[in-house]
Amino acid sequence: SQTIHQWPATLVQPVGSPLSLECTVEGTSNPNLYWYRQAAGRGLQLLFYSVGIGQISSEVPQNLSASRPQDRQFILSSKKLLLSDSGFYLCAWSVFGRNSPLHFGNGTRLTVT
Amino acid sequence: GESVGLHLPTLSVQEGDNSIINCAYSNSASDYFIWYKQESGKGPQFIIDIRSNMDKRQGQRVTVLLNKTVKHLSLQIAATQPGDSAVYFCAENIGSSASKIIFGSGTRLSIRP
Repeated sequence: SQTIHQWPATLVQPVGSPLSLECTVEGTSNPNLYWYRQAAGRGLQLLFYSVGIGQISSEVPQNLSASRPQDRQFILSSKKLLLSDSGFYLCAWSVFGRNSPLHFGNGTRLTVT
Repeated sequence: GESVGLHLPTLSVQEGDNSIINCAYSNSASDYFIWYKQESGKGPQFIIDIRSNMDKRQGQRVTVLLNKTVKHLSLQIAATQPGDSAVYFCAENIGSSASKIIFGSGTRLSIRP
């Protein structure tokens, strides 16, 4: 069966520090991969999605970036965090192609202080 | 950009009654829709999906209805239970060549004993 791992579960970082969140998927090949951010009490904002290694689509201009160095690995990064980067970051995967549901990890709660 | 919206931010239902959560979408080209359930501190959990060539789909205790004429989606939960308490999101695929899923702001469902 397929599983998705996302870590860390919680993170407190000072303003201006770098960020690296990692997500890996097991049990499937060539998945679509996604990063979402969720503000408290709000919906999910699509940040990045990827349909293959090295292929990243950015949805929202910001100081975050994403990379997909391996087929089942998706990394969210920032060189310098802002206070507004605080939130709940969720990684998800879906079967390659269109019209298949997303399966989410348990998220990372990021607090920028 | 296009967005998925919800009619009600909160819904209170008597235990045992049926719950109906509504959603309006704005992208008439969307052809795939999903409902998710999110419990506090967790990632969204897939409930049910529907493609635009259907107007109704049933799962275990849940039914999704799609009205493309008025761009409306609903989730019906039969015999609502305390464990159904959560935030429910509708989502749509606005991508043309890949699954690009965007989410609405969510409806919080609370169950009265």
